[in-house]
Amino acid sequence: NAGVTQTPKFQVLKTGQSMTLQCAQDMNHEYMSWYRQDPGMGLRLIHYSVGAGITDQGEVPNGYNVSRSTTEDFPLRLLSAAPSQTSVYFCASSFGQLSYHEQYFGPGTRLTVT
Amino acid sequence: GENVGLHLPTLSVQEGDNSIINCAYSNSASDYFIWYKQESGKGPQFIIDIRSNMDKRQGQRVTVLLNKTVKHLSLQIAATQPGDSAVYFCADRKAGDTGRRALTFGSGTRLQVQP
Repeated sequence: NAGVTQTPKFQVLKTGQSMTLQCAQDMNHEYMSWYRQDPGMGLRLIHYSVGAGITDQGEVPNGYNVSRSTTEDFPLRLLSAAPSQTSVYFCASSFGQLSYHEQYFGPGTRLTVT
Repeated sequence: GENVGLHLPTLSVQEGDNSIINCAYSNSASDYFIWYKQESGKGPQFIIDIRSNMDKRQGQRVTVLLNKTVKHLSLQIAATQPGDSAVYFCADRKAGDTGRRALTFGSGTRLQVQP
């Protein structure tokens, strides 16, 4: 199993541009989530999904959209990038809703918005 | 809002010594407390969890202690090794079968293992 994969690893955007961060898992996990991590801080939840077709907002959802059309994929869309969205983004998954606290994280995408 | 916080930003220990990383929490409605390890340039990795109705749980070289009276959580690492050097995060999840399925992470403690 590849686990949780994220692409790209690095990305530089100009203010106002849009892009999609890709996330995929091959473990047949129900639960998937997106976090952002800023320097010296913990992870903050952006959006999450408890299964295909179901998404919900996390702590910092503004400026981001998600969809979950398949169990495997959970892309994160930045609609109009802002410098405040410069961060490292992590995707994670877990087996099911009951064990969603045991999450497997991807390697991250480092995003810089200029 | 309710959050999970850490006492110290950096902890330096000698190789072979035991390490203790502390965490305070404020949410009495949490049903699980969790520790994650994040090595430089990588995503966090689940280490161990403890249910809120337990006081202690042991894993391989790690022990988590939960003191609900003072709302304190600790991670003990026995015989600390250079590979233990990382940032350690505590997190909690709110109890209940409905509502937001979200973890709340603390800001992290950096563990430095000196040879």
